[in-house]
Amino acid sequence: GDSVTQMEGPVTLSEEAFLTINCTYTATGYPSLFWYVQYPGEGLQLLLKATKADDKGSNKGFEATYRKETTSFHLEKGSVQVSDSAVYFCALGKAAGNKLTFGGGTRVLVKP
Amino acid sequence: DTAVSQTPKYLVTQMGNDKSIKCEQNLGHDTMYWYKQDSKKFLKIMFSYNNKELIINETVPNRFSPKSPDKAHLNLHINSLELGDSAVYFCASSQDLSTVLFFGSGTQLSVL
Repeated sequence: GDSVTQMEGPVTLSEEAFLTINCTYTATGYPSLFWYVQYPGEGLQLLLKATKADDKGSNKGFEATYRKETTSFHLEKGSVQVSDSAVYFCALGKAAGNKLTFGGGTRVLVKP
Repeated sequence: DTAVSQTPKYLVTQMGNDKSIKCEQNLGHDTMYWYKQDSKKFLKIMFSYNNKELIINETVPNRFSPKSPDKAHLNLHINSLELGDSAVYFCASSQDLSTVLFFGSGTQLSVL
């Protein structure tokens, strides 16, 4: 079946540091790929998405590129802020079946 | 206005009780979901309804019964609560077969 693997956290960084969260997937067909973010005490919010190979999703300074050859969708941000402290989820989705498969989440803590 | 709202936010109850969690979305979406997030933040889909019709049921015990009175509501009723049911339950919605989900803020269920 489909699966998503992402690096375990927590990841602790200083403000303005570079952030990378690795995500790899296993899926049949041509899934769409997503990053969702969960701030403390809140539900998940879509951060960015990519629907086909070589697409780059970007939002709020975060970027991720859909790499079919390495089945990866790594999340990056060049300079993190304290407000980026959250849990980040990588996910894949297919229209058929209409559901998302999530990775285990990576907690990121940014210190001033 | 909150797009996806669920109540209650916290629910503490004894083993063996029956409880319900309500969810409403005002986005006009056709599809609604219930997800369970365990203590390690792992998210797993439980149910999905499209236009009030059940389309996904991911091997959830039949103590869990979703009810969709209309497209804007998907309630979750749980009978004979067990300790292992303790988790955060998220309601979500999406438009048609789009896999971009909008999540509620979660219901933290604690079974004592």
